[in-house]
Amino acid sequence: GENVEQHPSTLSVQEGDSAVIKCTYSDSASNYFPWYKQELGKGPQLIIDIRSNVGEKKDQRIAVTLNKTAKHFSLHITETQPEDSAVYFCAAVISNFGNEKLTFGTGTRLTIIP
Amino acid sequence: DTGVSQDPRHKITKRGQNVTFRCDPISEHNRLYWYRQTLGQGPEFLTYFQNEAQLEKSRLLSDRFSAERPKGSFSTLEIQRTEQGDSAMYLCASSHPLAGYSYEQYFGPGTRLTVT
Repeated sequence: GENVEQHPSTLSVQEGDSAVIKCTYSDSASNYFPWYKQELGKGPQLIIDIRSNVGEKKDQRIAVTLNKTAKHFSLHITETQPEDSAVYFCAAVISNFGNEKLTFGTGTRLTIIP
Repeated sequence: DTGVSQDPRHKITKRGQNVTFRCDPISEHNRLYWYRQTLGQGPEFLTYFQNEAQLEKSRLLSDRFSAERPKGSFSTLEIQRTEQGDSAMYLCASSHPLAGYSYEQYFGPGTRLTVT
C-alpha cells in the first residue's frame, strides 16, 4: 500500500517568515495530494490540494508543489501569521473512481513565533 | 452549519463496554469515510461507504468494530467490548462525486474515545 513520509515533525518560524513542509510518497499510482490543517481538539481542515497533472498550485499565502518523478510534494506558507500555528498533514490518494482513502503523513507541528 | 457533524464529541467508557458514535455527513455527499487518529499520528483509514453500501474495511477494523449507513445518510460506528487500545479520536469524512470524480474529503470534529 501507499506510504507517506513527512518532514519536519516540528517547525518554528518567526512571524512573517516562510514555512516549508515536505512529503514523499511511495506509490506512483497516487494522483491526488491534499493538505490538511488540524487545530487542537478539531478535525482536519482541507486547506489546499493538487492533482497529479499539475505541478504547482497557489491560494493566497499558501502554495503546493508536486514533483511526480521524485514523488515529492511540498507545502509553502508565506508571510506566516500566529493563526497559522497548528499541525499540518499531507496525504496521498490513489483516485480511481472508487475508494479514495487518504494515506496521511505523520504531521508537522508548526509554531509561529510572534 | 452545513459541515460534517459527529456525536458525541467525547466519550469515556470502561473497558469491556460497548460504545456507538454517529456521523452526519454534508448533505448530498454520498461517500462517507471513518478514520482513527491516535495521539501524534495522522488519521488512519478504517472503512468507507458509498450510499448505504460498505465497500471496504481496513484490517485495522477488528470484528469488534461494526459500521452502518442504513439509509445512505448518517452513519454509526460501534465498538463492542472496548479495550484500552481503542482509545483514539474517531473521525468521519464525507465527499461528493463531481463529474465522476470524488476527491475532496471534509472532516467532522471527531469523537474522542477514552477507555479506562
